[in-house]
Amino acid sequence: GDSVTQMEGPVTLSEEACLTINCTYTATGYPSLFWYVQYPGEGLQLLLKATKADDKGSNKGFEATYRKETTSFHLEKGSVQVSDSAVYFCALSLSYNTDKLIFGTGTRLQVFP
Amino acid sequence: KAGVTQTPRYLIKTRGQQVTLSCSPISGHRSVSWYQQTPGQGLQFLFEYFSETQRNKGNFPGRFSGRQFSNSRSEMNVSTLELGDSALYLCASSMIAGSTGELFFGEGSRLTVL
Repeated sequence: GDSVTQMEGPVTLSEEACLTINCTYTATGYPSLFWYVQYPGEGLQLLLKATKADDKGSNKGFEATYRKETTSFHLEKGSVQVSDSAVYFCALSLSYNTDKLIFGTGTRLQVFP
Repeated sequence: KAGVTQTPRYLIKTRGQQVTLSCSPISGHRSVSWYQQTPGQGLQFLFEYFSETQRNKGNFPGRFSGRQFSNSRSEMNVSTLELGDSALYLCASSMIAGSTGELFFGEGSRLTVL
């Protein structure tokens, strides 16, 4: 079935280090891909998205490129901050007329000063 | 503008009881979806409502049900609670289902079943 696989956490980094969180997917058809972030004590919020192959989503210094050939959507940031500490979820949607998302298990990022 | 509001935020129930959770979407949003978040299973889709109609349902037993009112507010109900129903239940809203792909989530209702 359709699924999203994320790297296990926690990912622990020092401030200003580079970040990559891997995400691969299995899906029939052509899904839209998303990264959501959950800061401590808050609800999930959309970080970035890409709706077709080779699209690059970006926001707050984070980027992810929709790679159809490798079925991947890895999240990257060149220099993380302590305020980036959160849980990051990769997700896919299979249809344009539904809010049903299939989520990965989440990756906790901890950034230390 | 106010975000997605879920009530209650925390609740404790015992096995066999039933529970009702409430969700008020962002003003103007007509689509509401519900997710269950647990450490073992992660985030799993429960159901989705638009204009008071259930459009989609996840793979959960019939004990899980929901509805949406004419003002777009939504409730979900779990009957005959089991220990495994302990979870964070998240509600999300959007203007029109799937229109932008962006869901706005509430902070959740944390249910503990003893």
